[in-house]
Amino acid sequence: NAGVTQTPKFQVLKTGQSMTLQCAQDMNHNSMYWYRQDPGMGLRLIYYSASEGTTDKGEVPNGYNVSRLNKREFSLRLESAAPSQTSVYFCASNSPLHFGNGTRLTVT
Amino acid sequence: DQQVKQNSPSLSVQEGRISILNCDYTNSMFDYFLWYKKYPAEGPTFLISISSIKDKNEDGRFTVFLNKSAKHLSLHIVPSQPGDSAVYFCAASGGAGAGSYQLTFGKGTKLSVIP
Repeated sequence: NAGVTQTPKFQVLKTGQSMTLQCAQDMNHNSMYWYRQDPGMGLRLIYYSASEGTTDKGEVPNGYNVSRLNKREFSLRLESAAPSQTSVYFCASNSPLHFGNGTRLTVT
Repeated sequence: DQQVKQNSPSLSVQEGRISILNCDYTNSMFDYFLWYKKYPAEGPTFLISISSIKDKNEDGRFTVFLNKSAKHLSLHIVPSQPGDSAVYFCAASGGAGAGSYQLTFGKGTKLSVIP
């Protein structure tokens, strides 16, 4: 039982490149979330999906898109990466939240 | 505007003593409060929660106290152990609709338990 799995663990992008962060959970949870953690900022909600087929903006959605592919998977896409998106990204599911181990993204 | 505040970035405690981590909030719509623990290179893990209808919740060595009138909560760890050394995040949610899904986190307090 893996819980919440995020891929990749690390990624370096150049400004303007695009990429998709993948997240899958095997706990049959309805709700899924994407957070970012920056030094001294705590965790901030980017997007969430209350159930399969729905997505909603969180506190900091600009520059991101999401897809709830099915009940298990919730992906986060950066269409044109910017240095301000350098961060650690966490996917989570359910309430109380179960977190993955994060993706550390650097945009140069 | 920070709605959940953890004013102590760090705290050092001797092994066996009590650790007290504090958290203040400003949004009166918050009605559910949680504490998460985070080790380096791992995701946060849920520790304990409390609903606004209670003022105390206990789970083993961990107790959370809620003072609604002061908009303040605290996490007590007794006795503290070296394995408790981690960053602790306070989080809150509340309100109807989208508010119930959105957790607002504090910036965290780094606890160091000295053997």
